[in-house]
Amino acid sequence: DTGVSQDPRHKITKRGQNVTFRCDPISEHNRLYWYRQTLGQGPEFLTYFQNEAQLEKSRLLSDRFSAERPKGSFSTLEIQRTEQGDSAMYLCASSEVDTQYFGPGTRLTVL
Amino acid sequence: AQSVSQHNHHVILSEAASLELGCNYSYGGTVNLFWYVQYPGQHLQLLLKYFSGDPLVKGIKGFEAEFIKSKFSFNLRKPSVQWSDTAEYFCAVNPSGTYKYIFGTGTRLKVLA
Repeated sequence: DTGVSQDPRHKITKRGQNVTFRCDPISEHNRLYWYRQTLGQGPEFLTYFQNEAQLEKSRLLSDRFSAERPKGSFSTLEIQRTEQGDSAMYLCASSEVDTQYFGPGTRLTVL
Repeated sequence: AQSVSQHNHHVILSEAASLELGCNYSYGGTVNLFWYVQYPGQHLQLLLKYFSGDPLVKGIKGFEAEFIKSKFSFNLRKPSVQWSDTAEYFCAVNPSGTYKYIFGTGTRLKVLA
């Protein structure tokens, strides 16, 4: 068990560009979560997948954000037309039931 | 709006001191409650959780938390902290019937050797 992995670990982009992050959960975990964390704040829930189905999405999430989990294994989070306010740590977590295992995160900086 | 409050943002203690970190949430229905910890350079990991039953739950490394429904609180305690407890601690709430987890802003604990 190698844990939850995320790629890339760091991403610097210019405002207006699109970015995509990948999360590989622990292999037997069917639940997958995306969070965003800014400095001095706790993780903010973005979306939840059970297998390939996206069952919950934060109302705070703008239309520029989209997430997929096409085969119920890895997941991608895409941000279109990035803004400086999107700069944050993007965390992925997976679980079998209720204990979430977090990945190291992808730190996004939008210039 | 549903929220989780952690009033202590920074706590500094000497080794062997007792610890209590506050967590209050605003949600009128049934909730599942969690404490997560992030040690320096490591990922967030579960410390303990409460779903139902005995409101006093025990977690790893000697931590415990008490759910007081009337106060909407789930405070974290440890009778005697160690230097290795230096970390950031997050309280989280999962309203029953949802998949959403709401985290507090975290408490940075520094334990002096």
